[in-house]
Amino acid sequence: DTGVSQNPRHKITKRGQNVTFRCDPISEHNRLYWYRQTLGQGPEFLTYFQNEAQLEKSRLLSDRFSAERPKGSFSTLEIQRTEQGDSAMYLCASSLVRNEKLFFGSGTQLSVL
Amino acid sequence: QQPVQSPQAVILREGEDAVINCSSSKALYSVHWYRQKHGEAPVFLMILLKGGEQKGHEKISASFNEKKQQSSLYLTASQLSYSGTYFCGTEAPGGGADGLTFGKGTHLIIQP
Repeated sequence: DTGVSQNPRHKITKRGQNVTFRCDPISEHNRLYWYRQTLGQGPEFLTYFQNEAQLEKSRLLSDRFSAERPKGSFSTLEIQRTEQGDSAMYLCASSLVRNEKLFFGSGTQLSVL
Repeated sequence: QQPVQSPQAVILREGEDAVINCSSSKALYSVHWYRQKHGEAPVFLMILLKGGEQKGHEKISASFNEKKQQSSLYLTASQLSYSGTYFCGTEAPGGGADGLTFGKGTHLIIQP
């Protein structure tokens, strides 16, 4: 068990550019979640997958945000046409089933200049 | 809707006790508690699934009052390692979006 891995750890981009983050969950975990965390706030739920199916995406912040989990393994979160307000820590978490503890990755810190 | 945590911050001496509260305006199905240290990922502490359930983990325990839609986290004989930000995450009955809604957190500072 190597834990949840996220890459990159830090991303600096210019406004208007597209960015993609990757999350590798714990291998046997079916559920994968994406959260956003800004300074002084708790994690904010964005979307989640059960295996390869994205079961909830209405809470993605805008249509510039999209996520995939091909083959039910790793997941990617893409932000198109980044804005300064997108600057935040993007956290990925995984769990085996619902109502089990979430294992969080260390996150990707996005800075939009 | 985001649960409300109180207090926002607390400073303790090592060995003192603390209580962190989490309340929701909506009915709750479950409450999760996590601790996050600066620059690190949140780490799971415990889940409470039933109304009135109380769980313990070393010197950290929690209660869940389903009727009052509240949960409390109890830290006894605090240690320096308990410092960090504590978040409660709540889930409504029926699952809904199936994602936890986290409070803003309670900052806990333990001084020697």
